[in-house]
Order: sequence, then C-alpha cells, then structure tokens
Amino acid sequence: DGGITQSPKYLFRKEGQNVTLSCEQNLNHDAMYWYRQDPGQGLRLIYYSQIVNDFQKGDIAEGYSVSREKKESFPLTVTSAQKNPTAFYLCASSYRGETNEKLFFGSGTQLSVL
Amino acid sequence: GDSVTQMEGPVTLSEEAFLTINCTYTATGYPSLFWYVQYPGEGLQLLLKATKADDKGSNKGFEATYRKETTSFHLEKGSVQVSDSAVYFCALRWAGSYQLTFGKGTKLSVIP
Repeated sequence: DGGITQSPKYLFRKEGQNVTLSCEQNLNHDAMYWYRQDPGQGLRLIYYSQIVNDFQKGDIAEGYSVSREKKESFPLTVTSAQKNPTAFYLCASSYRGETNEKLFFGSGTQLSVL
Repeated sequence: GDSVTQMEGPVTLSEEAFLTINCTYTATGYPSLFWYVQYPGEGLQLLLKATKADDKGSNKGFEATYRKETTSFHLEKGSVQVSDSAVYFCALRWAGSYQLTFGKGTKLSVIP
C-alpha cells in the first residue's frame, strides 16, 4: 500500500542534543513538507521541498534543518538551537503539479524534551 | 498576509445533532479551500475541498460551500456520530503555491 511513514512515533531529546525525524513516502510525490503542531496553534510549516536536492524555509524554520537527497525521503533534524522542540511533527507530501490537490500526511512523531 | 480563522473549540454535541464549524479566510483573491480532519494520535486526512466560488465540497455526510461574498467555508453535517469526534482544520492554498495555510483547528467531541 502507498503512503507516508514517519518514525519514530515517540522521540525524546536531551538538552543540547540533535535528533532526526524520519519521513518516507512511496507515493511518487515530488513535494514534501514538515509541519509542527502545538495545542491550540494549528499547523505551522517548517520546511518544504518541491524536488530532490532543493528545499525552502517555511514560517518557523529556525532551529531545524532538512535534506532531500532522495525523492522518497525528507528527514527533519531538530537541532539544539531549537529551544522549544516539544511538539507533534507531521510530514506530508503531494504531487508537484497539482497544487489544488490534497496533501497526504503521515501519522506524526511526538517529540518531547527530557 | 493570508489567514484562516476557525471558531474556537472544543465543541461538544450529542449524537445525531447538527454540526456547524465556522471558517473564514482573509486573502486577496480566490484560493482553494479545504477541510482536513485529524483523529486522535494520527495525521491529517482531507475531508473535502472546493476550488472556486460557489463550489460545494462534500464527503461522509459533511458539506461546505465556498462563499466568496462572506469569504467563508463553513463545515456542516446534519447528524453527527461518535466516530466524528476529531479535530477539524480549515485551510487555504493558492494555485501555483505548495503551501497550505491552516486554521488553528476545532476539536469536536460527540457523546452518545
């Protein structure tokens, strides 16, 4: 079955540590996204990528980094510069040429600080 | 800039009650509009969409009509079920853009 897989489901970060969240899709989608969800805040865009080896900052990119070395994969690194990393992180993908079409979302990763 | 405003939650309804979740947007022009639903512990799923004024999106008994006069896209369902309990997000997207702008979400709880 096609879909988006995020891992791990739960992740804990220590002070000063970088952690990486995985996102893999087998939908042959060109575009991939990372959103952060906080209670009462809705979803805010962190980074997005339209094609391999290219990505753009979203609204809240500070303290995060991404890579897009393969079409199927778009990992997100939460660096030690992100002072408030506790949140639910959602990865999504879509066809590049169909901007009126839907985003497909993964099931999310809950990141907490120890 | 563009923004999406949803009614504050949480909303608690009895089974078979009528549901309305208000959504209005601020934008110069006519973006595509979406409703997404998030069940507990999961990602978001597209519920319905409308791409131009006066379009009505519908799915699973939910409906929403794109009203350009009032810049609104209110979500309605005639008879809710316990299984409809979730968080509902209104969102907009411009043709040619890859970004969705989301509202803050409205939590719905349906009690038997």
